[in-house]
Amino acid sequence: DADVTQTPRNRITKTGKRIMLECSQTKGHDRMYWYRQDPGLGLRLIYYSFDVKDINKGEISDGYSVSRQAQAKFSLSLESAIPNQTALYFCATSGDPGPTYNEQFFGPGTRLTVL
Amino acid sequence: DQQVKQNSPSLSVQEGRISILNCDYTNSMFDYFLWYKKYPAEGPTFLISISSIKDKNEDGRFTVFLNKSAKHLSLHIVPSQPGDSAVYFCAASARSSWGKLQFGAGTQVVVTP
Repeated sequence: DADVTQTPRNRITKTGKRIMLECSQTKGHDRMYWYRQDPGLGLRLIYYSFDVKDINKGEISDGYSVSRQAQAKFSLSLESAIPNQTALYFCATSGDPGPTYNEQFFGPGTRLTVL
Repeated sequence: DQQVKQNSPSLSVQEGRISILNCDYTNSMFDYFLWYKKYPAEGPTFLISISSIKDKNEDGRFTVFLNKSAKHLSLHIVPSQPGDSAVYFCAASARSSWGKLQFGAGTQVVVTP
């Protein structure tokens, strides 16, 4: 079974709709992240959480919100989707600081299209 | 402003030859560097990393070289195999940012027979 799962894998929606992307992990990690990937821009950090009570904005958080429901679950919401939020979205996790604490483990991604 | 840059969007290499992927960074606070590999319809997977206290790290066919004075790192794949065809992302982090990664735009590698 995959350690980091994302649902849905694909979603097409219309401008103005509210969308929630979900992420679950079985790695037991405290740290979770949401990224978006756009062609030519790589992965950019939207939000990150270092534990259930700690939520932080990344470099492109405008138009997004998150919820950390439990250690294993981290959801990303688009309150009112717009076409330039069409992208590939990835959830990732990482462990506590240590020799390999920078290594992040990614889910398979959600392809979101906003019409 | 992108702090991690991969200036070659694509690279084509023959099977058995060496693939060299390059990455430049601008933030002198970065002290840990990683390479991720991504296949279509999958998430990125960790490939190899290097700490700023080293200038080389090797893992099988993959070697990463770090030149701190030039703020440059490279990934060498020897020999290249068809299964190496993927997008490769360079990433960097600073101890002060506690695990947050900055990614480059990626390089698409195609290994031809």
